[in-house]
Amino acid sequence: QQPVQSPQAVILREGEDAVINCSSSKALYSVHWYRQKHGEAPVFLMILLKGGEQKGHDKISASFNEKKQQSSLYLTASQLSYSGTYFCGTEKNSGYALNFGKGTSLLVTP
Amino acid sequence: DAGITQSPRYKITETGRQVTLMCHQTWSHSYMFWYRQDLGHGLRLIYYSAAADITDKGEVPDGYVVSRSKTENFPLTLESATRSQTSVYFCASGAGGELDTQYFGPGTRLTVL
Repeated sequence: QQPVQSPQAVILREGEDAVINCSSSKALYSVHWYRQKHGEAPVFLMILLKGGEQKGHDKISASFNEKKQQSSLYLTASQLSYSGTYFCGTEKNSGYALNFGKGTSLLVTP
Repeated sequence: DAGITQSPRYKITETGRQVTLMCHQTWSHSYMFWYRQDLGHGLRLIYYSAAADITDKGEVPDGYVVSRSKTENFPLTLESATRSQTSVYFCASGAGGELDTQYFGPGTRLTVL
């Protein structure tokens, strides 16, 4: 039931773009995206609901394809502060418990 | 405004000992969660609670016990700690509802020798 994230790791230069994918074998109700910096707690980025539209947050946006049970996180013109591990959490129904992927490690270099 | 706190932040214990990790939130959130985070596994749900006196198992509940007598507190007890329970433990809370998510505490790093 754990969603699968890809890629596992990515290294970018400042200003480059990246896409992180999150796929599930089960039908999804919602997808939550978090970023975690080393030694810190995960921090919420955005939530996408079934039937909802693509969300955006500054230069970070995400989409949710219900038919494919897949969500993608788009990081545009990456900044050094974007470095960290990104997790998707998926919810099968509105019961609110999340299953998290194993994470994607993102490193942005100068 | 403290939000969600965990104590202790670091704990070293021995195999077989009982350990309780505390979680406290000041938002009056209905839902509370316990996760463990291990390299290569991501975040795995141990137990969660939808309200006071209501708890349910997550993906990896074996060896753990929870209680929730008050809305703001959700302690996690390892009744007889094992080395495989060495991990970073995160507590989270949320109000519930369609557009709400979970907010994480700072974590407790537990080492079982």
